Amino acid sequence: NAGVTQTPKFQVLKTGQSMTLQCAQDMNHEYMSWYRQDPGMGLRLIHYSVGAGITDQGEVPNGYNVSRSTTEDFPLRLLSAAPSQTSVYFCASSYSQGASQPQHFGDGTRLSIL
Amino acid sequence: KQEVTQIPAALSVPEGENLVLNCSFTDSAIYNLQWFRQDPGKGLTSLLLIQSSQREQTSGRLNASLDKSSGRSTLYIAASQPGDSATYLCAGRSSNTGKLIFGQGTTLQVKP
Repeated sequence: NAGVTQTPKFQVLKTGQSMTLQCAQDMNHEYMSWYRQDPGMGLRLIHYSVGAGITDQGEVPNGYNVSRSTTEDFPLRLLSAAPSQTSVYFCASSYSQGASQPQHFGDGTRLSIL
Repeated sequence: KQEVTQIPAALSVPEGENLVLNCSFTDSAIYNLQWFRQDPGKGLTSLLLIQSSQREQTSGRLNASLDKSSGRSTLYIAASQPGDSATYLCAGRSSNTGKLIFGQGTTLQVKP
């Protein structure tokens, strides 16, 4: 089973460029989310989705857009990259938000903004 | 607002020692609490999930407990091995928002 797949694994951007981080899961999970991980800050929720066509903001949504056109895919878009967005980005999924549902994480995308 | 705290931030122990990692949360309204392991440069691997109605979960040498009334969870690792060296993260899933709130992790080093 592939689980949660994130691409690319590494990316370097210049300030002002845009890009899309891809996330796909093959477990038919309804709930998907994006986190960023920064030293001293832990993991912080950017955006999440409870199902296809439904998205909502997390703790740190500014500068990021998401869409959920299919159950499988949940891309994260950086509209105009800023050095403050240098981070490691993780996508996660679970069957639902229910009590018994563990979150499964991808391996992350390491993004540097110059 | 839910806050999750992990103490200590770092821990170094000799191989074979039993150890406890601590996690505390401010809001008892949680669906579940999940413990993860993260190796350097890697993603998060789920270790154990305790539902709010449960008191503990066990997997091999790992045992996680949950006390909602005191806002605490512990991860017990028995007979530690060098391969257990990693960062351990706890996260509580809010029953109000459905969001997962993470602690900052405890970095464990097990010395041979």
